[in-house]
Amino acid sequence: GQSLEQPSEVTAVEGAIVQINCTYQTSGFYGLSWYQQHDGGAPTFLSYNGLDGLEETGRFSSFLSRSDSYGYLLLQELQMKDSASYFCAVKDGGFKTIFGAGTRLFVKA
Amino acid sequence: ETGVTQTPRHLVMGMTNKKSLKCEQHLGHNAMYWYKQSAKKPLELMFVYSLEERVENNSVPSRFSPECPNSSHLFLHLHTLQPEDSALYLCASSQDRGRDYTFGSGTRLTVV
Repeated sequence: GQSLEQPSEVTAVEGAIVQINCTYQTSGFYGLSWYQQHDGGAPTFLSYNGLDGLEETGRFSSFLSRSDSYGYLLLQELQMKDSASYFCAVKDGGFKTIFGAGTRLFVKA
Repeated sequence: ETGVTQTPRHLVMGMTNKKSLKCEQHLGHNAMYWYKQSAKKPLELMFVYSLEERVENNSVPSRFSPECPNSSHLFLHLHTLQPEDSALYLCASSQDRGRDYTFGSGTRLTVV
């Protein structure tokens, strides 16, 4: 079957760095995406990795290792507003994007 | 209006009712999607439309019936639903097989 595994919850302190890991097992792979969703809100696109390595967008970075079927999202200088759910998602090259169950991030003062 | 708009935001319906969810995108995208989001479970892809043609149908029960009259509008028609169909239904759009989707805020559906 197809699956993406990510931790269900992570807690960190304001100003700290947190890493959310994602491992995947899918029949097709074109790229790994990350989305953020606040309670009651729409998932919003954060980043995409089509090739191995690190992509940086402001305080957020995302990493991919295709040989390990593994990626992570790194959030730096955590702020209270970063408390949300974070989803990794695999794109199959067609119209299918398969999502993980999400990681709930709690940022404490 | 910008982005992807879904109506209604909340819907409570009985198992014998018929209702429709509406999605409209103002981004000029040509692909639209329906996803189901249940608590602590991955988003489940239900249907995909590209250029108004259905290109994916993920073994969804026939009590869910999608319609895409044009590239800006997507509907999900509901009839004789079950309580386990209660969930957040999300609409998304992309340009072609784009790497990033734009989601609406969803319709919170409760079946009683």
